[in-house]
Amino acid sequence: DADVTQTPRNRITKTGKRIMLECSQTKGHDRMYWYRQDPGLGLRLIYYSFDVKDINKGEISDGYSVSRQAQAKFSLSLESAIPNQTALYFCATSDFRLAGGPEQFFGPGTRLTVL
Amino acid sequence: LAKTTQPISMDSYEGQEVNITCSHNNIATNDYITWYQQFPSQGPRFIIQGYKTKVTNEVASLFIPADRKSSTLSLPRVSLSDTAVYYCLVGFSGGYNKLIFGAGTRLAVHP
Repeated sequence: DADVTQTPRNRITKTGKRIMLECSQTKGHDRMYWYRQDPGLGLRLIYYSFDVKDINKGEISDGYSVSRQAQAKFSLSLESAIPNQTALYFCATSDFRLAGGPEQFFGPGTRLTVL
Repeated sequence: LAKTTQPISMDSYEGQEVNITCSHNNIATNDYITWYQQFPSQGPRFIIQGYKTKVTNEVASLFIPADRKSSTLSLPRVSLSDTAVYYCLVGFSGGYNKLIFGAGTRLAVHP
């Protein structure tokens, strides 16, 4: 979905390096999420944010940190990358105002390789 | 924690109807059931969502029995472009840390 963009799309780095993945959205949604996907597996939630001042840990937050710089921007950082963080990372957004379980809109993904 | 169970893979042929069933025995009262579709190297895309009974949109139907412990995604007359991974997701707006994407069902549609 072009309304949710992620940069970079691909990144190769070395063990111990600090990495930041960025996500921007033009949908005007309050809620943003970071997921990782490993080959052949489903998505696992890393962090989520309901608004700029509300950030919450997901299922697998260890080794990651996030920053919600503005309503439209949500960054994921790996302070010291390790090889088992090699994965496909997705950012997603949803609208607080929708009733029931909200539909999430996903970005194109960032493929991260840690050597 | 509402864990879901789906078949790992399914095969079908163009023009057939495909039904993918998801089990969610521990679904909570406030949980909705949502299905997503994912193509290789792309983010998942929302297909359909329901709470109970039947929901239909332009691409699929979702059948949910009264006990809500399972749900069935129905894709009418599939085409080759429906080849993808389909995820069943159970959760609600108040508890995002409980949203779990399982491994999904890999659907292969053959000519």
